[in-house]
Amino acid sequence: EPEVTQTPSHQVTQMGQEVILRCVPISNHLYFYWYRQILGQKVEFLVSFYNNEISEKSEIFDDQFSVERPDGSNFTLKIRSTKLEDSAMYFCASSGQGAMPQHFGDGTRLSIL
Amino acid sequence: GENVEQHPSTLSVQEGDSAVIKCTYSDSASNYFPWYKQELGKRPQLIIDIRSNVGEKKDQRIAVTLNKTAKHFSLHITETQPEDSAVYFCAARPSTGNQFYFGTGTSLTVIP
Repeated sequence: EPEVTQTPSHQVTQMGQEVILRCVPISNHLYFYWYRQILGQKVEFLVSFYNNEISEKSEIFDDQFSVERPDGSNFTLKIRSTKLEDSAMYFCASSGQGAMPQHFGDGTRLSIL
Repeated sequence: GENVEQHPSTLSVQEGDSAVIKCTYSDSASNYFPWYKQELGKRPQLIIDIRSNVGEKKDQRIAVTLNKTAKHFSLHITETQPEDSAVYFCAARPSTGNQFYFGTGTSLTVIP
């Protein structure tokens, strides 16, 4: 069964640095998403991406964040000037025609020191 | 925006018993309600979903019911097994957009 894959599984970064989280969505999917889950809290929506542009974003997704689909397979989340509170598990998800259901990757645990 | 509440936060049941997890949502126009199971350190996995034009859906030991009037939906697991132990998240998709709004999760423990 095809899966969403994310790299790295764990990223440790100094506060103030930039990080790029990478995702390879399921190959024939059209919609791509980033969510985050702070330890012990609910999964929160960050952004959705369709047809090479952002379709929705939450208030969490401010100018510190950006997404890109640099080629036909990767979908990346960039976080600039990382802060301690950016520490969380970041999940990528994708969905096909009709936008449902969403399939999640294993996540990247981001630790900001 | 949509607000999803989930109860209980923890649930322990004896193996073979049933487990019920309940969620409420605020946006009456929400039209899709998935349930995800997340084992420790692993990805959320879709276990069942329901659309707003259906009141109930069943898949073997798992069922979901939806009450649109009351704006709540529930996950029912029958004949629980130890491997059902995990955190379960409900979610709702509003009519405007494709993002999911998740509940706070229920940690289910099935005691052998």
